[in-house]
Amino acid sequence: DSGVTQTPKHLITATGQRVTLRCSPRSGDLSVYWYQQSLDQGLQFLIQYYNGEERAKGNILERFSAQQFPDLHSELNLSSLELGDSALYFCASSASSGRASNGELFFGEGSRLTVL
Amino acid sequence: SQKIEQNSEALNIQEGKTATLTCNYTNYSPAYLQWYRQDPGRGPVFLLLIRENEKEKRKERLKVTFDTTLKQSLFHITASQPADSATYLCALGSTGGFKTIFGAGTRLFVKA
Repeated sequence: DSGVTQTPKHLITATGQRVTLRCSPRSGDLSVYWYQQSLDQGLQFLIQYYNGEERAKGNILERFSAQQFPDLHSELNLSSLELGDSALYFCASSASSGRASNGELFFGEGSRLTVL
Repeated sequence: SQKIEQNSEALNIQEGKTATLTCNYTNYSPAYLQWYRQDPGRGPVFLLLIRENEKEKRKERLKVTFDTTLKQSLFHITASQPADSATYLCALGSTGGFKTIFGAGTRLFVKA
């Protein structure tokens, strides 16, 4: 158990809909990362938050948005869903504090999104 | 753009042999390189980290080398076991852990 909790584990929805994925990081971790993994694809970095602020952005679509709340949990919002958005969405956390750190990421078990 | 390349073809080896996986990268000067293991449908699990000023790191049956001139890391599993069968991901990170990016992974099959 990594200590990172993601909900829901599975989600089936229709094209055009909007969903919210939730992530609770390990206790004490300030950084949260979101990744997308499509079938047979690698982990695509979407976005990173550190202590409530956006720190780095990757290949995140404009239809997607995220935020990190004061209690450090994070949400990834996916809107106007398309078939191609079907994927595993992983959240990871780390103890990164902005200084040189171990950089080790602790991943949740993912949220599997199916868009029909 | 930054790019990480790992062998896309699966690696099949016999139990007891050493598995060697390769990670090459371009357009990046990482502060560190990490290796993760991922089982089907599960989240990746951290295995090892090696920093830019280190050449080699070992942990039990695992060994990682890091050549910043060649922009390459080799990941070795000695005395491999069927339980080592999984996908292994290479990841690069900058100081502070910002924007850690991953390769597509190499699938390893260890036959008994």
